[in-house]
Amino acid sequence: DAGVTQTPRHEVAEKGQTIILKCEPVSGHNDLFWYRQTKIQGLELLSYFRSKSLMEDGGAFKDRFKAEMLNSSFSTLKIQPTEPKDSAVYLCASRGTGGALEQYFGPGTRLTVL
Amino acid sequence: GDSVTQMQGQVTLSEDDFLFINCTYSTTWYPTLFWYVQYPGEGPQLLLKVTTANNKGISRGFEATYDKRTTSFHLQKASVQESDSAVYYCVLGVNSGTYQRFGTGTKLQVVP
Repeated sequence: DAGVTQTPRHEVAEKGQTIILKCEPVSGHNDLFWYRQTKIQGLELLSYFRSKSLMEDGGAFKDRFKAEMLNSSFSTLKIQPTEPKDSAVYLCASRGTGGALEQYFGPGTRLTVL
Repeated sequence: GDSVTQMQGQVTLSEDDFLFINCTYSTTWYPTLFWYVQYPGEGPQLLLKVTTANNKGISRGFEATYDKRTTSFHLQKASVQESDSAVYYCVLGVNSGTYQRFGTGTKLQVVP
């Protein structure tokens, strides 16, 4: 079975640009997560979807970050406008329904904002 | 609210040393506890998982035991290898189905 796919693997943006990161979850998984990972803050939850419904929207990220699930097999994370402090690795993960199940992570997208 | 605590940010060991990474958690729900490992350039992946039913998880030479009395879930390995160098996350899941709480991670460096 295919794991979680993320594209692109690397993205370089100028300050003020709009960027869109993409994620394809494991087939059949109902839960999808977006995280931001930095050395200082570690893993931070950006969004959590269950069956395409937004369940959690990380409060600190609401203004410029928007995640969507267009269908059960595709999600996007839009950052608009980008700022240099957004430079980080963005991870997507999926799992079956339930807090007792493991999450399957994609390889991440490394974003650099100049 | 639910939380998980990893105090060790970085651990450096020599090959064949014993590994012990602390993790404590807090929840009012029945917990499921995970250790994830992340290698450079990859996303985290499951190392092992423990529920209140089985109390102990073992995988690839790593072991973790859930202790309800002390609300701890420490990770240990008898003899580490250079290939074990990675970041290890303690994670709390609860059966209510919400997202899981990740600890801050412990970076393990094993030197030859």
